[in-house]
Order: sequence, then C-alpha cells, then structure tokens
Amino acid sequence: NAGVTQTPKFQVLKTGQSMTLQCAQDMNHNSMYWYRQDPGMGLRLIYYSASEGTTDKGEVPNGYNVSRLNKREFSLRLESAAPSQTSVYFCASSEARLTYEWQYFGPGTRLTVT
Amino acid sequence: AQTVTQSQPEMSVQEAETVTLSCTYDTSESDYYLFWYKQPPSRQMILVIRQEAYKQQNATENRFSVNFQKAAKSFSLKISDSQLGDAAMYFCAYGSNYQLIWGAGTKLIIKP
Repeated sequence: NAGVTQTPKFQVLKTGQSMTLQCAQDMNHNSMYWYRQDPGMGLRLIYYSASEGTTDKGEVPNGYNVSRLNKREFSLRLESAAPSQTSVYFCASSEARLTYEWQYFGPGTRLTVT
Repeated sequence: AQTVTQSQPEMSVQEAETVTLSCTYDTSESDYYLFWYKQPPSRQMILVIRQEAYKQQNATENRFSVNFQKAAKSFSLKISDSQLGDAAMYFCAYGSNYQLIWGAGTKLIIKP
C-alpha cells in the first residue's frame, strides 16, 4: 500500500516548455487534489476532483489543466511554463467527496522554471 | 472569505518540554473542520490532528492536543514531551466546501 505517489520528484523546465505531473493513489479514494506550496505561504489549491469524471477549479487554476484519468490517477499539466510556476506541487486524496475527511498527501514535486 | 493565520514563523523548544503553536482563523460558517499538519524535511504532509467545530471537546492524539476556542476562532496545538522527531513545519488548516485553507506555517525547532 504505497498511499499517494507522485512523479517526478524534481523537474527543471525552461520558460514555455510543457510538462505533466503524475499522481496516483491506491486507497480507492474518491476525491483528489492538486496544491502548490510557495516559500512562506501555506498550500493553495489549484484543482480538485470530487469524484471520477469531475474536475473543478480551486484558488489558483490559471496556467494549469488537469485530467482525472480514472479513479486512481489525477494529472496536472503545465502547457507553457512560466517562472511564476516555480513551486513545490502536492497531490492529495481523500475518501469522501468533501474535504471534511482526512487528506493524504504525496511526497511532492519540486518544479523550477528558468 | 476564510483566512488562517499562524503568527509564529518559528518556535523552539527544549527536548522533553511542552510547546504550543498558535492558529487563528476567520469564518462566518458554523460547521467546519480544523486540522494540524506536520511537514518534515522530506516535504511529505502528515496529518497530526483534526477537530470538528461542532464538538466542544478538544481533540487529542497521544502527545498532541488542541485548545479549540470557537468563539475566539482560535485553534492552538500543544506538543507535550517534545522529541527530536517533532522538528518540522507545522501547518494549521481550515476545511469547508471541498477546500482546505492553509496558514503560512510555523517552523518548530527542537533543542537537544
């Protein structure tokens, strides 16, 4: 039981490049989330998927797209990376459709855009 | 809009002593949840404790307990018998309507 896994762990991009961050959970959770964490700030929600087949914008969705590929996997795509997207990205999942339940986090992806 | 404030960017405590981390929040809702998460250097977010707003009894998990003051909108975390492994960033979070609203974090240093 690996919990929530993320790939890659580190990535360096040039401005304008695209990439997809992968996230998978093996806990049969319904809801999945993508956050970013910037220095000196708490996490901010980018997108979430309350259940398979649905996605919704969070607090900071601009510049990102997501895909809930199936119940296990939730990917985050940067179409044209910008230096402002340099951050640590966390994927999380929870059993219930609401965030009242525990959220389990992956180890994070450190992304640098030059 | 809901906000979460952690006014202590950094705290230090001697090993085996007790430390309290502060968190205040602002909301007009009556039904919500509050959480404390720990983030060690590995960056993994680990849930420490949670509190349902409708429960008056303060949550406890082993050496971790909270002091929840709903009227004052305060949610502090007490760590008893501090251990070296407790060194980490601690984040307070408010949960409602699909979202967790996060504080900026408090870095906890444990002195041996």
